[in-house]
Amino acid sequence: GNSVTQMEGPVTLSEEAFLTINCTYTATGYPSLFWYVQYPGEGLQLLLKATKADDKGSNKGFEATYRKETTSFHLEKGSVQVSDSAVYFCALTSSENRLAFGKGNQVVVIP
Amino acid sequence: DAGITQSPRHKVTETGTPVTLRCHQTENHRYMYWYRQDPGHGLRLIHYSYGVKDTDKGEVSDGYSVSRSKTEDFLLTLESATSSQTSVYFCAISEGGANNSPLHFGNGTRLTVT
Repeated sequence: GNSVTQMEGPVTLSEEAFLTINCTYTATGYPSLFWYVQYPGEGLQLLLKATKADDKGSNKGFEATYRKETTSFHLEKGSVQVSDSAVYFCALTSSENRLAFGKGNQVVVIP
Repeated sequence: DAGITQSPRHKVTETGTPVTLRCHQTENHRYMYWYRQDPGHGLRLIHYSYGVKDTDKGEVSDGYSVSRSKTEDFLLTLESATSSQTSVYFCAISEGGANNSPLHFGNGTRLTVT
C-alpha cells in the first residue's frame, strides 16, 4: 500500500536557521501529499498540502513541492522561530479515503 | 477549531478490563477515524467510518472494535485491554474523506494499561 518515509531522528537548530525535513513516498496512482504539525499536548493540524505533481503547498513560511520524479515532498522553511518547535508528519492519501502517516520528526528550535 | 471532543482525556486501566473511548463531533462530517500514536511508529489507523453504521478496519485493528450509531459519535472499544494498547489515541474527522478534504484531529486520549 501507499506509504511515506521520513528522515530518522529529531532535528535541533538555532533560531533563524534553514529547516529541511525529508519525506519520500511509495504509491500507486496519484495520491495527495500533506504535512501535518503537532504542538505539545495537541492533536495534529494540517500545515500544507499538494494534490498533483509539481504543485507547491505553502503556509506560515513553510513550503513543500510534490516531486513525482524523485517521489519526494520535502518540507522547508527559510528562517525558523522558537514557536516552530513541534512534531512534523508527512502523509499521503491511500486507498478508500484513508491517510497514511510517516513516523514524524521532532523539531526543536533553540533561541 | 473543528468541533471535536474526545473523552476521557486520560485513563488508567488494568489488563483485561474493557475500555471505551468516545469521539464526539459537532461538524456533521461523514468520515471519522481512530488513530493511535506511539513513539517510533507515528500515527497508525485503527478503524474508520464512512457513515452511520459503516465502518472498516485500518492497519492495526486487532483487539479493537468500533461503533457509529449516529453521525456525531464514534466509539472505540478495547474489549480486553492489554499493555501493548497503552498509547495516545486520536480521533479525526473529515467532511469528504481523506482523498477530498483535510482531516481535523481531536486533542487525544492518553490511555495507560497496567
